[in-house]
Parts: sequence; structure tokens; C-alpha cells
Amino acid sequence: QVQLQESGPGLVKPSQTLSLTCTVSGGSISGTGYYWSWIRQPAGKGLEWIGRIYASGSTNYNPSLKSRVTLSLDTSKNLFSLELTSVTAADTAVYYCARAGDYYTPNWFDPWGQGTRVIVSS
Amino acid sequence: EILLTQSPATLSLSPGERATLSCRASQSVSDYLAWYQQKPGQAPRLLIYDASIRATGIPARFSGSGSGTDFTLTISSLEPEDFAVYYCQQRANWPPITFGQGTRLEIK
Repeated sequence: QVQLQESGPGLVKPSQTLSLTCTVSGGSISGTGYYWSWIRQPAGKGLEWIGRIYASGSTNYNPSLKSRVTLSLDTSKNLFSLELTSVTAADTAVYYCARAGDYYTPNWFDPWGQGTRVIVSS
Repeated sequence: EILLTQSPATLSLSPGERATLSCRASQSVSDYLAWYQQKPGQAPRLLIYDASIRATGIPARFSGSGSGTDFTLTISSLEPEDFAVYYCQQRANWPPITFGQGTRLEIK
């Protein structure tokens, strides 16, 4: 059973870079043909898709965040990562990682990590 | 970008009643629509994908229907653990993948 766990700083200063990792257990991140995504949720609000990365390393991003987002894989550690540059208070949210389906049924999110809260504040 | 509008914003029902939640897309998404359940302090959980297919382990009281622009999530007989926020999500026209704003299902 695949499980995902987010980790990273809970507090980031404005204009700095937010960096999070998602460690995958119970399955290989690279050998199974799955997509992997990041999704965020400001407190009391809805869900916003950030982007996805394929086992090959190819990426797709939300156009609203594309200029500031980079997703990457570390197959040796079985994890994938999110970097979001030039953060502002608007980037304060709970950040979730999730498996985003496979080649035949892409972009359905299951399972999810438990989420990690990130606050952008000086 | 496809906008998903969920209604009602809040639905107040009692255990044992039938719940009907709606999701309308700003343009056709064919059947590329999913539903998620989110309880307080938890991550969302996939319930339904491709409009009507239950995800693994999801009870039969949850069902999805619709295609094109109008979709429905039905819970046939509410259990106490079903009171939560429900989101729809489309993957037909992306990026971006988009979610609805959510329907809160509360105990009456």
C-alpha cells in the first residue's frame, strides 16, 4: 500500500523559496509509471493544483504558478520535491502531495499525504 | 480554465437521509470528473472518478452520475461518518486541473 509523507519548514519568510519533499513508501516512485502531484489548500478554502511530475521526470504546472514552481524527483531516495520561489502571504496553505494516477487514468489523486502547513511570514 | 461550481454550498441533513450534491462545469468535461471527501484536519479522499466509478474501498452508498457539464454525487443513506466537505475535480481540459469550491454536508 503506497503511502506519502510531506516534510519541510513550517515557516518561510516572504520573498524566499518554499521547499518541500514528499517521501513515498510502499512502492517505487520511478518504476511504476505513475504521476505525482502537489496540491495546496489555504485555511478554510478550496484546493489548488500546483503541478505534477512523471516517473521520467517530465513536468506540468499550473499556469498561475508556472513561473515560480519547480518539481523534481530523487529516485535514490524515492521522493519528489516542490520548490516555490518568491513566496508571499498568499502562498500560506496546507501543502499536500498525492499520487496522480497512471498513463491510462491520469490526474485522479489517490492516495494523498497527510499535508504539511506552511506559513509565509517575517 | 474550466470553472467548477458546486451547489449547494452547505447541505443540512440527518443520518439515514439521501444526499444529492451537484457540480456544474463551465464547459464540457465529458466524464472526466472526480469527487473527493475531506474531513476536518484530514487530506481529501478519492470517492468517485470518471464520473461514476467508485474508488477502491468506497462504500456502495456513494454513487456518481452525469456527463458533459452536469454531475451529481449521491449518498443513498447518510452515515454519521459521511458528514464532511465534498469537492469535485476535472481533468478534461488542463492545465490547470481544477476543483470546485466544495459543498459542506452538515448534520441537521
